[in-house]
Amino acid sequence: GEDVEQSLFLSVREGDSSVINCTYTDSSSTYLYWYKQEPGAGLQLLTYIFSNMDMKQDQRLTVLLNKKDKHLSLRIADTQTGDSAIYFCAESINNQGGKLIFGQGTELSVKP
Amino acid sequence: DVKVTQSSRYLVKRTGEKVFLECVQDMDHENMFWYRQDPGLGLRLIYFSYDVKMKEKGDIPEGYSVSREKKERFSLILESASTNQTSMYLCASQQQEPNYGYTFGSGTRLTVV
Repeated sequence: GEDVEQSLFLSVREGDSSVINCTYTDSSSTYLYWYKQEPGAGLQLLTYIFSNMDMKQDQRLTVLLNKKDKHLSLRIADTQTGDSAIYFCAESINNQGGKLIFGQGTELSVKP
Repeated sequence: DVKVTQSSRYLVKRTGEKVFLECVQDMDHENMFWYRQDPGLGLRLIYFSYDVKMKEKGDIPEGYSVSREKKERFSLILESASTNQTSMYLCASQQQEPNYGYTFGSGTRLTVV
């Protein structure tokens, strides 16, 4: 079945770049997403990439997609303490009526 | 700005009570979802709905039911609350174009004592 895997924790120093990785299994995914969840809050859509793209940049965020390896990454440049949160990778599954499949989330901790 | 509103941020209920969690969206979306979130388990899909009066079971529907009488409102019902239903509950609605992403509510943290 479909599965999305992420590492659970990442710790970086303020000002460094963060790279959060995700692997997925369904090659028919049309969209892949990154969501951010701050403590005690719901998930917020950060960015998304269409499956025919390799890269998408949006200010400090860069998304890389390697379809051959089914690997998605989110790079946050100049990471700030306000970036501390849980980041979820998700894919859309065509044959399940558009349901999104989420990874377990990566908890990013930014140390001053 | 689009909005998904969950009626309560925090809720404490007793074992055996019937609990209603309400979710309202103002975006005229057809698809709505209920998840629960537990540490180490990520998001688990409970129920979803693609239209009024329509519902589909997700991965963990046991002990839950849902109601979708109007397009904008999707209610999650715990028929007889148990302590293992203590969790964070997240509602989401799904847009169509341009990217089929979800908009989430702020969540309801339910404690069953």
